[in-house]
Amino acid sequence: AQKITQTQPGMFVQEKEAVTLDCTYDTSDPSYGLFWYKQPSSGEMIFLIYQGSYDQQNATEGRYSLNFQKARKSANLVISASQLGDSAMYFCAMRDRNTGKLIFGQGTTLQVKP
Amino acid sequence: GAVVSQHPSRVICKSGTSVKIECRSLDFQATTMFWYRQFPKQSLMLMATSNEGSKATYEQGVEKDKFLINHASLTLSTLTVTSAHPEDSSFYICSASKGYPRSDYEQYFGPGTRLTVT
Repeated sequence: AQKITQTQPGMFVQEKEAVTLDCTYDTSDPSYGLFWYKQPSSGEMIFLIYQGSYDQQNATEGRYSLNFQKARKSANLVISASQLGDSAMYFCAMRDRNTGKLIFGQGTTLQVKP
Repeated sequence: GAVVSQHPSRVICKSGTSVKIECRSLDFQATTMFWYRQFPKQSLMLMATSNEGSKATYEQGVEKDKFLINHASLTLSTLTVTSAHPEDSSFYICSASKGYPRSDYEQYFGPGTRLTVT
């Protein structure tokens, strides 16, 4: 069975500093996709970044980058130059190749301090 | 592109009544829609997957007679919470996918509906 684990319930970071949010996954499928979403207090799910299991390079999207370590089955999100607006809950998710379902981790609440 | 709307954004209903939540893909055809439920400060839990024109597939432990899902068109899916009770109070989020379940189709999320049952 596929599983996503986020072990950090809450994180603090100083404004303008970088922060890493951890995500590990478990799957026996050689082909999979990994996602990170941001959920502010309004509740909307905002797509941040995607990494395919066969992608040769780590994904990057502006201030977001994904530290993909396939052998360790980890897909950590790195946010550089944190901003106050980054305060939110962050979810790591894996997509089941056959069903298209997303399996979410427990989430990490990030608070950016001024 | 790829905008998904939900209506209503908030709803309060009395215990024992039914409430319908709509999920629409505004600028694309969604062959597959997903319905999630989220309790405060918890993760999203998939309730069911609906494909246009066919019956929804419910996750284990989700009562299909209580949570009725209809995906009547390529742009609309509805979730009806029947005989709602206070424990059904939650944040319901839908997502839509452009393609049939395959790994390379992203899910686009709606803004969610907060249901409160009194």
